[in-house]
Amino acid sequence: AQTVTQSQPEMSVQEAETVTLSCTYDTSENNYYLFWYKQPPSRQMILVIRQEAYKQQNATENRFSVNFQKAAKSFSLKISDSQLGDTAMYFCAFVIPNTGNQFYFGTGTSLTVIP
Amino acid sequence: DAGVIQSPRHEVTEMGQEVTLRCKPISGHNSLFWYRQTMMRGLELLIYFNNNVPIDDSGMPEDRFSAKMPNASFSTLKIQPSEPRDSAVYFCASSGTGGGIGNQPQHFGDGTRLSIL
Repeated sequence: AQTVTQSQPEMSVQEAETVTLSCTYDTSENNYYLFWYKQPPSRQMILVIRQEAYKQQNATENRFSVNFQKAAKSFSLKISDSQLGDTAMYFCAFVIPNTGNQFYFGTGTSLTVIP
Repeated sequence: DAGVIQSPRHEVTEMGQEVTLRCKPISGHNSLFWYRQTMMRGLELLIYFNNNVPIDDSGMPEDRFSAKMPNASFSTLKIQPSEPRDSAVYFCASSGTGGGIGNQPQHFGDGTRLSIL
C-alpha cells in the first residue's frame, strides 16, 4: 500500500525565518515523483515544488527547497525567508509512473506565518 | 491558458436533492481526478479517469455518488440523494502525460463548496 504521512498538523513561523515541514511516505516502488502543494485560504491547490525520485539532487524553487532522503523515504519542505503569503495548508504527495497517474496525498500541515 | 474549471463555485441545497458538480479539465490532459476535502478526513480521492475511462472508483463513498466523463473535456460528479454529511469542498484536477506518466503534476480547479442542509 502507498501511504503519505505528515506528522505535523500545525506549525507556525516568524516572518523572515525558516521553517521545515516533514513528510514521509511508504512505497515498494523505486521510481516515483514527489510533490508539495500549497492551499492558501482561497482554497486553490498550487504546486510548489516537484522531485524525481531518481534524481539525487534536491529540488529548489526560489525560497522553497526539499530535503529528499530516498532510503529513509523522507521528503521535507524547507521555506526560507517566510512571508505572510506563505500561510497555507501544505500537502505532500507522490505518484508512481505507469499506474494511472493516481496521486497519494498526505493529510496536510497548516502553516501560519506570524508577522 | 485556462486552468481546470469547476462549476458551481458554491452550492447550497436541501437534503434529498440531487447535486451535480461539473468539471472541465485542461485541454490536452488525459487524466481527471475528483477529490473531496473535509476538516475531518482531509483530501480524499473519490475517482479518477484516464482517457475518459474510470480507472479506480474505490474512493466513492457509496452508491449515492456517481461520476461520468462523456468526453475529454467534461466530467460530472453526481450525488443523489444528497445528505448533510456530504457537505465538503469537492475538487477536480487534471494532468497530462507529457514526459511519461507520473511526470506531470495535477492541476486543480478552484473547488465547489457544497453545503447540504
